[in-house]
Amino acid sequence: DAGVIQSPRHEVTEMGQEVTLRCKPISGHNSLFWYRQTMMRGLELLIYFNNNVPIDDSGMPEDRFSAKMPNASFSTLKIQPSEPRDSAVYFCASSGPGHLNTEAFFGQGTRLTVV
Amino acid sequence: AQSVTQPDIHITVSEGASLELRCNYSYGATPYLFWYVQSPGQGLQLLLKYFSGDTLVQGIKGFEAEFKRSQSSFNLRKPSVHWSDAAEYFCAPSGGYNKLIFGAGTRLAVHP
Repeated sequence: DAGVIQSPRHEVTEMGQEVTLRCKPISGHNSLFWYRQTMMRGLELLIYFNNNVPIDDSGMPEDRFSAKMPNASFSTLKIQPSEPRDSAVYFCASSGPGHLNTEAFFGQGTRLTVV
Repeated sequence: AQSVTQPDIHITVSEGASLELRCNYSYGATPYLFWYVQSPGQGLQLLLKYFSGDTLVQGIKGFEAEFKRSQSSFNLRKPSVHWSDAAEYFCAPSGGYNKLIFGAGTRLAVHP
């Protein structure tokens, strides 16, 4: 398996623009997580899905952030409108299946810069 | 509330020296525990994990960690550090649905 695939790897956008980050989890995994990493706040869990259903989005910072998982092989994280303080590295991770906790596999991340 | 503390933000060791990175967690029950490593510009890679059983677990790259329930700790150790170990290390307990709650991380620098 190619692992968790995120695109794009780098994104530079202007304030106010819509940004969409994409993630393809490892085939067969049924949990998917979106994390944000900044120097100030470290690694924050934004939202996670189980069997394509959002379980907890309490980490999503504002209504400008939204995430979807239309099927088991694809998820998006959207920011609309984007602001400079959204600049960060966004990671997608997947894990599972099964009811026992297993390790999470991370993608390479998307480095977002909002100017 | 679930939380994890990595008291050392930055550690510098000499190559060949031993290493211990500290991790303390606060949890309702004994969680599953993980250590991840992140090299600059890279994603996170699993070093080792503890689910149950033997409290000393072995991981990749010569790392090990010991779970101590009485101290709510899961410290990471390596007997002899290599220059390639310079990276950031994250301790993370796992909750329901395999979600990970990460500590602030410890940045390791290795002197030649």
